[in-house]
Amino acid sequence: AQSVTQLGSHVSVSEGALVLLRCNYSSSVPPYLFWYVQYPNQGLQLLLKYTSAATLVKGINGFEAEFKKSETSFHLTKPSAHMSDAAEYFCAVRSNRDDKIIFGKGTRLHILP
Amino acid sequence: DSGVTQTPKHLITATGQRVTLRCSPRSGDLSVYWYQQSLDQGLQFLIQYYNGEERAKGNILERFSAQQFPDLHSELNLSSLELGDSALYFCASSVALGYEQYFGPGTRLTVT
Repeated sequence: AQSVTQLGSHVSVSEGALVLLRCNYSSSVPPYLFWYVQYPNQGLQLLLKYTSAATLVKGINGFEAEFKKSETSFHLTKPSAHMSDAAEYFCAVRSNRDDKIIFGKGTRLHILP
Repeated sequence: DSGVTQTPKHLITATGQRVTLRCSPRSGDLSVYWYQQSLDQGLQFLIQYYNGEERAKGNILERFSAQQFPDLHSELNLSSLELGDSALYFCASSVALGYEQYFGPGTRLTVT
């Protein structure tokens, strides 16, 4: 069964520093993978998706993620953190059994001034 | 704005009561999903529908039920409410099952 594991429930980075949020997936078939962001008191918003085309996927707000099959990873990065990036980030994978989207437990990103 | 609307935005009710949460998907989306989010449980998948049919269930309690109507809007019914049901309830929609989901702003339920 498909699943995702997000490493680190909380990550802190300084403003202007590299953001790296880790996600590893488990899937027996080529996966569909997603990253979502949730700002305080809002619903989740799609950041980007991987659907077996280019392995480097660019999303909104300067974020990108790289699909690495050999490492079963889909880490999210942003070169330079802004205060406005403070939010919770969810990695997700599509289940090929029932097309459910399976979300990770989330990583809360804190930006230090 | 995702295009998904949820009403009401806030709901305060007492234990033992029943409430109905409503969701209107984005125009053209046939699939609707319901999630519960709380501090202790995180984001929990409840149920999903495609074009009026239930297609998958998650951690949905027997006290909870949902349906998707012919006009594709969906309702989540929560009955015999307990304090532990206090949470944010999100609806999401997608063009079909397994595609990227677009989330509504949520309904915050407080059970007192």
